[in-house]
Amino acid sequence: DGGITQSPKYLFRKEGQNVTLSCEQNLNHDAMYWYRQDPGQGLRLIYYSHIVNDFQKGDIAEGYSVSREKKESFPLTVTSAQKNPTAFYLCASSPAASTAGYGYTFGSGTRLTVV
Amino acid sequence: GDSVTQMEGPVTLSEEAFLTINCTYTATGYPSLFWYVQYPGEGLQLLLKATKADDKGSNKGFEATYRKETTSFHLEKGSVQVSDSAVYFCALSGISGNTPLVFGKGTRLSVIA
Repeated sequence: DGGITQSPKYLFRKEGQNVTLSCEQNLNHDAMYWYRQDPGQGLRLIYYSHIVNDFQKGDIAEGYSVSREKKESFPLTVTSAQKNPTAFYLCASSPAASTAGYGYTFGSGTRLTVV
Repeated sequence: GDSVTQMEGPVTLSEEAFLTINCTYTATGYPSLFWYVQYPGEGLQLLLKATKADDKGSNKGFEATYRKETTSFHLEKGSVQVSDSAVYFCALSGISGNTPLVFGKGTRLSVIA
């Protein structure tokens, strides 16, 4: 079955370490997105990509980096510059850059805890 | 810019009660509108959508009608179950270019037996 796989589901890191969250999709979608969700909060856009080797900053890109070397993969690195990285991270994809009529397919999320 | 406003929660209902979660939007033209549901510890799932005025999206007993005149897309269900307890997000896809979805802040629903 097609879908989006985020791994791992739970991730623990020490403060000051960089950590990379994986997001892989086999839906043949062009566009991919990363969101952050804090307890009781809505979704905040970190980065998004419409095509391979291209990506744009979202509303809260500081302290994060991404790459899009393959259509299927859009890993997110949480760097030591991110001041409050503990959160639930969601990856999503859509068939095309235009989401009209399609919306997103979401992964199941990665809960990152920095101690 | 485009925006979505949802009623603030939490909403607590007894089983078999009627549910309405309000959603209004600001956008140019005719955006596509979506409702997503998030169960505890999981990602968001598409619940229903509507792509033009007066369309009604429906799924699993939930319904929402795209009302252009009131710029609204309220979510309704006639009889909620404990298993409907989740966070519900309203979202829109604007017509102005290839921009990401715009989400409301989410409404937490708790259904008690």
